[in-house]
Amino acid sequence: GAVVSQHPSRVICKSGTSVKIECRSLDFQATTMFWYRQFPKKSLMLMATSNEGSKATYEQGVEKDKFLINHASLTLSTLTVTSAHPEDSSFYICSARDHERLNEQFFGPGTRLTVL
Amino acid sequence: AQSVTQLDSQVPVFEEAPVELRCNYSSSVSVYLFWYVQYPNQGLQLLLKYLSGTTLVKGINGFEAEFNKSQTSFHLRKPSVHISDTAEYFCAVSFGNEKLTFGTGTRLTIIP
Repeated sequence: GAVVSQHPSRVICKSGTSVKIECRSLDFQATTMFWYRQFPKKSLMLMATSNEGSKATYEQGVEKDKFLINHASLTLSTLTVTSAHPEDSSFYICSARDHERLNEQFFGPGTRLTVL
Repeated sequence: AQSVTQLDSQVPVFEEAPVELRCNYSSSVSVYLFWYVQYPNQGLQLLLKYLSGTTLVKGINGFEAEFNKSQTSFHLRKPSVHISDTAEYFCAVSFGNEKLTFGTGTRLTIIP
């Protein structure tokens, strides 16, 4: 158990458009979901933490109006990159945690975003 | 300050040789420790974790790690590597809260 999916796996968009990335927990209820960004050959940087039914908590330096996070259900969180620019191109990874396994995060396969 | 350090950015190892990937952390609070593996263009897969109890932790794919509190280390080891172990390895630490702080990663390359 503890499978997390992301959709789409790859997306290419034009500069100025918005892109939505979905993160789903397939076999457990994710009370908390995390969104990370990974630059090429770099480590993962936490962008924000979202709890079901409440507003996301953003890390310092992350623009909350640019990276909109919604966690409307216990199995789905979405990240919307608004007015995308080429510098937003990156690998976005989500993770999810349930209320029983508080010390472990289960990671999705990631979404490769390329902004032209 | 709380931090995670992976000193080796790249580690080349001959096939069937042993390997150790180093991870050190700095913390004034209790920690939970994790090792993840990432294959190209994929997400992270948990190799093993230390939450409490026995300091020698065994994980998947023949990997193990030992929590050393006095040296604030959690080095990852495997006695005999295979070509399929070629990947990026990340050490991650939870410093008494729910967030994970990742090290910069170590690229393990297996030489045939």
